Amino acid sequence: AQSVTQLDSQVPVFEEAPVELRCNYSSSVSVYLFWYVQYPNQGLQLLLKYLSGSTLVESINGFEAEFNKSQTSFHLRKPSVHISDTAEYFCAVSERDYKLSFGAGTTVTVRA
Amino acid sequence: DTGVSQDPRHKITKRGQNVTFRCDPISEHNRLYWYRQTLGQGPEFLTYFQNEAQLEKSRLLSDRFSAERPKGSFSTLEIQRTEQGDSAMYLCASSSVGGPYNEQFFGPGTRLTVL
Repeated sequence: AQSVTQLDSQVPVFEEAPVELRCNYSSSVSVYLFWYVQYPNQGLQLLLKYLSGSTLVESINGFEAEFNKSQTSFHLRKPSVHISDTAEYFCAVSERDYKLSFGAGTTVTVRA
Repeated sequence: DTGVSQDPRHKITKRGQNVTFRCDPISEHNRLYWYRQTLGQGPEFLTYFQNEAQLEKSRLLSDRFSAERPKGSFSTLEIQRTEQGDSAMYLCASSSVGGPYNEQFFGPGTRLTVL
C-alpha cells in the first residue's frame, strides 16, 4: 500500500518570494504522482501530474514539480508566488488508475 | 458541462440520524469516486463505481455506510445511525476511462456535522 508524507503543514511566504512544498511517498510499485490545490471554499483541482517520461513537470501557472525516484520525492516549487496562490496543496499518489492516496496537505499563505 | 456537483453542501444532524448525500458526475464520465476528508487530513478513498458497478470499498466504509449508483449516472452515499466521528467533508469525483491515467475531477464536497 502506498502512503504520502507532506513535511510542512503550514508555509507562510511573502509575495514574489519562492516557495517549496515537500512531498515524500512510499510504495512497492511504480506510481503516478500528483499535486492538487484547494482554494478557499472550492473543490480540489489538479495542479500537475507525473505519469512517466520527463521527471520535471510544469503547470500553466508557474508551478513545477520534480519526481525523484531514488529519494521517493515529488516536491513542488514556484520561483515567485502571488497572493492568489494562497491555498491548501495536497500531494497524492496512485498505484493504479483509480484510487488516490493523499498527504495531509500544506497550507500556503502568501502575504504582501 | 458544469462539473461535478454535490448536494447538499452542508448538513447538520443529530447523532443516530440517517443522512444521504448526492453526487452528480460530469455527464460523460463513467467512473465515480467517494472520498472523506477530516479536519487537518487529506482526502481518504472510500469507494468507487464504474458505471453502476461498485468495484472497491475501503475498510473505512463501515456497515453503516452504503453507496449506490443505480443507473450509472448520479450516486448517493447514505450513512445510517450517524456518530460524531462521521463529521467530515465528503468528496465526490468522476473520471472517464481509456487512457494510461484518467484525471479525477472533484466536486465541492458535502460538509457533515454530527452533533
